[in-house]
Amino acid sequence: ELKVEQNPLFLSMQEGKNYTIYCNYSTTSDRLYWYRQDPGKSLESLFVLLSNGAVKQEGRLMASLDTKARLSTLHITAAVHDLSATYFCAVDTGTASKLTFGTGTRLQVTL
Amino acid sequence: EPEVTQTPSHQVTQMGQEVILRCVPISNHLYFYWYRQILGQKVEFLVSFYNNEISEKSEIFDDQFSVERPDGSNFTLKIRSTKLEDSAMYFCASNFEPGGPGELFFGEGSRLTVL
Repeated sequence: ELKVEQNPLFLSMQEGKNYTIYCNYSTTSDRLYWYRQDPGKSLESLFVLLSNGAVKQEGRLMASLDTKARLSTLHITAAVHDLSATYFCAVDTGTASKLTFGTGTRLQVTL
Repeated sequence: EPEVTQTPSHQVTQMGQEVILRCVPISNHLYFYWYRQILGQKVEFLVSFYNNEISEKSEIFDDQFSVERPDGSNFTLKIRSTKLEDSAMYFCASNFEPGGPGELFFGEGSRLTVL
C-alpha cells in the first residue's frame, strides 16, 4: 500500500522567513502534485511534477521532485501571511489519476 | 476559466437516508472522480469513472455507494443508506487525460453531515 508522509504536520513561521515542507512516499512514482487548501475550501493546484529532477516555481513557492529518493519538497521563500493554508502533496500511482494524498502540512504565517 | 461545479454545497441528512451529490465536470474532460475528506484529515480517493463505467474504486467505495453519468454533463455520487461515518466533504474532480501532463481539477466540494 502506498504511503505518503509529510512533515512537518504543522508549521508556524514568521513573515519573511524561509522554510521547506517535505513529502516522502513509499513506492515508485514519477508524478507528484502539490495542492493548497484554505479552511473549508477546495483544493487549489499549485504544481504538477512529472519527472525526476523537476523543479517548478511560482511566486514564493518552489517545488522539486527526486524520484530516486521518493521525495518532494515545497520551499517557501520570505513567507507572507497570505500563504497561511494547509498544503498537501499527492502521488499518482499511475492508475487513472488515483491520487494518494499526504497527511497535509498546516502552515501558519505570523506577522 | 472552466471549473468543476458541485451541488449542494452543504447537505444535512438523517442516518439511513439516501443522498445524491451532483457534479458538473469541465466540459471537454473525459475522466471523472470522487474524493472525500473527513474533517481535519487527508483527502481519500473513492472512485474513478471513464466511458460510462467505473475504472477503479477504493475500499471505501462499498455497495452503499454508486456513481452515474445520467446525461452529457452531470456526474453523480449516490449514498444509499447514509451512516454517521459518511459525514465528510466530498470533492468531485475531472481531467482530460489521466497520467498526462495536465492537472486534476477539483470542485468546491459538497459537505455532507449525517445526524
